[in-house]
Amino acid sequence: GAVVSQHPSRVICKSGTSVKIECRSLDFQATTMFWYRQFPKQSLMLMATSNEGSKATYEQGVEKDKFLINHASLTLSTLTVTSAHPEDSSFYICSASQGANEKLFFGSGTQLSVL
Amino acid sequence: GENVGLHLPTLSVQEGDNSIINCAYSNSASDYFIWYKQESGKGPQFIIDIRSNMDKRQGQRVTVLLNKTVKHLSLQIAATQPGDSAVYFCAENIRGSQGNLIFGKGTKLSVKP
Repeated sequence: GAVVSQHPSRVICKSGTSVKIECRSLDFQATTMFWYRQFPKQSLMLMATSNEGSKATYEQGVEKDKFLINHASLTLSTLTVTSAHPEDSSFYICSASQGANEKLFFGSGTQLSVL
Repeated sequence: GENVGLHLPTLSVQEGDNSIINCAYSNSASDYFIWYKQESGKGPQFIIDIRSNMDKRQGQRVTVLLNKTVKHLSLQIAATQPGDSAVYFCAENIRGSQGNLIFGKGTKLSVKP
């Protein structure tokens, strides 16, 4: 089956630094990728929809200047958490699909801990 | 054992028993539903899906039932195994695709050997 690779799996950083998370579709071209955030014992909350070659669409309440998304190719989307603070500590998950009516595949997630 | 919905976020069953995990979805316009399994520290794993023109779909050891009248979805796992222990999420979509999923709160399934 299709594979979505997410890197890094875990990152610990100091408050104020920026962290970049990569999401790659390994064996298919992903026209659309999604970024989710998940707090402990809670469900996944969609942060933004990333379309290759265009600006990401952010969900209400998600700061686009803080969570920068770049989808420059059909196999790679990146999420950069800028000036991270302890409240940004969370599990970030990406997903990708080949098209509007195609199955969605999830990455393995990135656990971000901001000290 | 049977989960009675979002009021009981944990379900404990004996190995070999059948498990039933329930989910109440919110939008009557949703036409596509998926069950995911999430193990600790990992991303969601697709289990089974169903479209609104169906009321039942079976996979390997799993069955999804959809009751559109009461907006209820259930996942049945036959002969539950310790490896089934995880958090299970239902997800709904209102556009007939997997694009913009709305996830339910999740149910933690614990299988006792």
